[in-house]
Amino acid sequence: GQQLNQSPQSMFIQEGEDVSMNCTSSSIFNTWLWYKQEPGEGPVLLIALYKAGELTSNGRLTAQFGITRKDSFLNISASIPSDVGIYFCAGLSGGSQGNLIFGKGTKLSVKP
Amino acid sequence: KAGVTQTPRYLIKTRGQQVTLSCSPISGHRSVSWYQQTPGQGLQFLFEYFSETQRNKGNFPGRFSGRQFSNSRSEMNVSTLELGDSALYLCASSWPITSGSTDTQYFGPGTRLTVL
Repeated sequence: GQQLNQSPQSMFIQEGEDVSMNCTSSSIFNTWLWYKQEPGEGPVLLIALYKAGELTSNGRLTAQFGITRKDSFLNISASIPSDVGIYFCAGLSGGSQGNLIFGKGTKLSVKP
Repeated sequence: KAGVTQTPRYLIKTRGQQVTLSCSPISGHRSVSWYQQTPGQGLQFLFEYFSETQRNKGNFPGRFSGRQFSNSRSEMNVSTLELGDSALYLCASSWPITSGSTDTQYFGPGTRLTVL
């Protein structure tokens, strides 16, 4: 079945550093979504991407929908302690009843 | 505005029973989607409803079903519960995932289901 490979699984970075994570698949997706989840909380949608090649920013976050439609990346610039959490990518397949596939998440730790 | 409401918050059932979970979306939102989250499988998409019609669907067995009412409230039903159904069930409300709307998606606090 469809799978998303999200990497890295975890990151330990220093406050102020930039962060990059990505999701790849052998399948084509029509929509890419990026979420952040903090302990004990539900996911929060950060960025939604709807077109191949689309580059979208949300504050210090930037995400791109890969040209091949099989990948997406998320960058966080100048990380701060509150960026800590698990970041998930999700891809929505096409068809009359598309399936939203989630990556396993990237756990981000930021050292002040 | 009021957030997404899910009831009940916690539920304990035994194998073979069935369960119905409820989700009330943010006023004005017409799309409700359901997710299962477990430590082992992570986040998995169950289904999405928009205007009482199922639009998107994940790879879950037919024991998992849902519906949406005319007021956009949604229910999810799991029949013949199995131990592996123990999970946090999240619902989210938004404009449809593919709408291209800049309005974001809001998750409820979840229902923690334990199957014994």
